[in-house]
Amino acid sequence: GAGVSQSPRYKVAKRGQDVALRCDPISGHVSLFWYQQALGQGPEFLTYFQNEAQLDKSGLPSDRFFAERPEGSVSTLKIQRTQQEDSAVYLCASRGGQHTDTQYFGPGTRLTVL
Amino acid sequence: QKEVEQDPGPLSVPEGAIVSLNCTYSNSAFQYFMWYRQYSRKGPELLMYTYSSGNKEDGRFTAQVDKSSKYISLFIRDSQPSDSATYLCAMSAAAGNKLTFGGGTRVLVKP
Repeated sequence: GAGVSQSPRYKVAKRGQDVALRCDPISGHVSLFWYQQALGQGPEFLTYFQNEAQLDKSGLPSDRFFAERPEGSVSTLKIQRTQQEDSAVYLCASRGGQHTDTQYFGPGTRLTVL
Repeated sequence: QKEVEQDPGPLSVPEGAIVSLNCTYSNSAFQYFMWYRQYSRKGPELLMYTYSSGNKEDGRFTAQVDKSSKYISLFIRDSQPSDSATYLCAMSAAAGNKLTFGGGTRVLVKP
């Protein structure tokens, strides 16, 4: 595809449920980022992959959050035992090539925890 | 206190006016500065990318960075209703590294 795609676009979960959010980066982009955007706020960094290696996970808010990118392409962000404070838009961004600094964002997944 | 501060607005201007947006930051390690535009229920879209201090112009958009004051600005000339969106400043310490965003300023351009 031409851009970063994310699925599902909307997810409603009951408190305590596990959810999995998918990101398909731009083809060939080696770097992939996840951000969390609360309502009315700017995005906040969660984690970063270069190919399949998770190089930075300093922004993950708790051990209930887990991200993977096993083949260096598609990435999944998993949230276990969801809480109401997890409600947010989860944005994925990819960056390509050693000399391309721009992060291209997907449309996000809006997670609502009831 | 957040690393990057941005007035949330909303900022309402008439069509054709100049829109002036700014952010302040506290981390002197930031070297790369960006402005993103975000429409409702969409992902952020890069508008301007600047390294270190100075000005950069692209069409109707001008970005300014003053590292000595830890202050960045975005100016939009001849604003259009289609410019109505939330504008996010973002910055990083290294090229292509994780971004630290401001909270965003909502802009409304009235026809």
